[in-house]
Amino acid sequence: AQSVSQHNHHVILSEAASLELGCNYSYGGTVNLFWYVQYPGQHLQLLLKYFSGDPLVKGIKGFEAEFIKSKFSFNLRKPSVQWSDTAEYFCALHNAGNMLTFGGGTRLMVKP
Amino acid sequence: NAGVTQTPKFQVLKTGQSMTLQCAQDMNHEYMSWYRQDPGMGLRLIHYSVGAGITDQGEVPNGYNVSRSTTEDFPLRLLSAAPSQTSVYFCASSLQPSSGNTIYFGEGSWLTVV
Repeated sequence: AQSVSQHNHHVILSEAASLELGCNYSYGGTVNLFWYVQYPGQHLQLLLKYFSGDPLVKGIKGFEAEFIKSKFSFNLRKPSVQWSDTAEYFCALHNAGNMLTFGGGTRLMVKP
Repeated sequence: NAGVTQTPKFQVLKTGQSMTLQCAQDMNHEYMSWYRQDPGMGLRLIHYSVGAGITDQGEVPNGYNVSRSTTEDFPLRLLSAAPSQTSVYFCASSLQPSSGNTIYFGEGSWLTVV
């Protein structure tokens, strides 16, 4: 069975700090990987996705993620966070079986 | 193009009542799914459908039924509501997900069972 783990449940940063949110997955086959963001009171929005090719993926709002196959990881990064990045972030995995599996989420609070 | 539309947005039910959460999409997407979101558990797949007339169970299907009579609609039925079903429910749709197509989410339905 596939699974996605996000070990940081809550992260608090000051504005301009660098961000890295961990995501590890377990699945032996080909995967597509996603990061979604959920701002307070809103639905999920796609930040970025890895499907194939360059393992360093750039998304919206200055976010990027790196797929490291040997580590089964897909960590999300941003060099300098803003107060408006306060949200919950979800890593997700999709496999050929058409199941989209989410991690438990990481709540990010950015202090102004 | 309205995207994925869920109704109702908020609902309070008594234990044992039944109700249907509606989901509709106007993007001619083959794939539709229902998730529930609970604190610290992310989103968990309840049921999904890969096309009209085809449905399958996800990770947490118990207590829920679905049907897919049309491409556009994918209602989720709670047969006999329980407090454990208090959650936020999200409907999603996409073209073939394994081809890298974006998955679109509705705005969520907040359900409280008392």
